[in-house]
Amino acid sequence: AQKVTQAQTEISVVEKEDVTLDCVYETRDTTYYLFWYKQPPSGELVFLIRRNSFDEQNEISGRYSWNFQKSTSSFNFTITASQVVDSAVYFCALNDRDDKIIFGKGTRLHILP
Amino acid sequence: DSGVTQTPKHLITATGQRVTLRCSPRSGDLSVYWYQQSLDQGLQFLIQYYNGEERAKGNILERFSAQQFPDLHSELNLSSLELGDSALYFCASSVVDRGELFFGSGTQLSVL
Repeated sequence: AQKVTQAQTEISVVEKEDVTLDCVYETRDTTYYLFWYKQPPSGELVFLIRRNSFDEQNEISGRYSWNFQKSTSSFNFTITASQVVDSAVYFCALNDRDDKIIFGKGTRLHILP
Repeated sequence: DSGVTQTPKHLITATGQRVTLRCSPRSGDLSVYWYQQSLDQGLQFLIQYYNGEERAKGNILERFSAQQFPDLHSELNLSSLELGDSALYFCASSVVDRGELFFGSGTQLSVL
């Protein structure tokens, strides 16, 4: 069965620090997709990244980077030089053959000025 | 703006009542997903439709039902409402299977 675990329920860091959000997933399928979404205090859900199971290359987008490791079933997200605007709830999600997109419970990130 | 429209934004009703939440997907998106977000359960997948057909089902209660119409808008019907149904209900659409989801701003349901 599908499962996404975000063990960190809440993290607080001081502005400009780097922070890594962990995501561990479970699936029986060899073909699947992983996602990260951001939910700022305004409430909308914003897509950040989609990665398929055959592409293990790490990705960097500005201050954001993602580390995908199939060997440990992890898809971690790092924010470098964090800013107050990064304060949000971040969700990791998984989509496999079942066509459901299952979300983790989210990590609430506080960036302190 | 994601291009996904949800109405109403807020809904206050009483236990035992029935409500309908409406979602218009982005132009061209054939898939519509419904999610329930509550404080203790996170984002729970309810149901997915693709071009009018039910594609996948999550932990959707029997009191809840949904459909997608020929013009691709979708409605989520919640009946015999209970206090525990109070939550934020999101609709999302995508253009391809397993593609990124574009979320609406949600409907905040309060059952009193």
